[in-house]
Amino acid sequence: DVKVTQSSRYLVKRTGEKVFLECVQDMDHENMFWYRQDPGLGLRLIYFSYDVKMKEKGDIPEGYSVSREKKERFSLILESASTNQTSMYLCASSFGTGPYEQYFGPGTRLTVT
Amino acid sequence: LAKTTQPISMDSYEGQEVNITCSHNNIATNDYITWYQQFPSQGPRFIIQGYKTKVTNEVASLFIPADRKSSTLSLPRVSLSDTAVYYCLGSARQLTFGSGTQLTVLP
Repeated sequence: DVKVTQSSRYLVKRTGEKVFLECVQDMDHENMFWYRQDPGLGLRLIYFSYDVKMKEKGDIPEGYSVSREKKERFSLILESASTNQTSMYLCASSFGTGPYEQYFGPGTRLTVT
Repeated sequence: LAKTTQPISMDSYEGQEVNITCSHNNIATNDYITWYQQFPSQGPRFIIQGYKTKVTNEVASLFIPADRKSSTLSLPRVSLSDTAVYYCLGSARQLTFGSGTQLTVLP
């Protein structure tokens, strides 16, 4: 079974802190994604990556950066956390460039106070 | 990229068949239609994918008419555990899930 793991299920940070959310997949997938999910807004794409050291902006990249140094690991970085970044963060991965399904991790609920 | 439109919410009763329709008017020739299911506090889970006509698996059926401008996810004999949000994606490259359809199955 494909497994996508995220470093924390719950995280509480203070405004202005630098926050790292880690995601690891074990199926040698080329593609990895970071989404945030907020009530009434569905899932919104923050960043994605089609290869190591490669990244593309999604719909809402402002306030975030990413890092992909290894194929299996995709990190989301909040340089200076703000209260409007309180959200559920979901990581996903998929094969190649075809219509392959995305496999999601369990999510990290981040609260910024 | 194909933009999809689906109902915000639907209610059903246990044992009924549920059909959720999604419109994707500007779907490209080589795009697939993919449906995901999401339970509370979990990430979305792939249900089914199709290109045209009908696809069936152990969970659902997907009906796609010849013009491919819409698709219908069919869940046979739903149970309370099918209460979830269902997302339709109209492109292999569509990475925007939108708000989906909240299906509530009532006893």
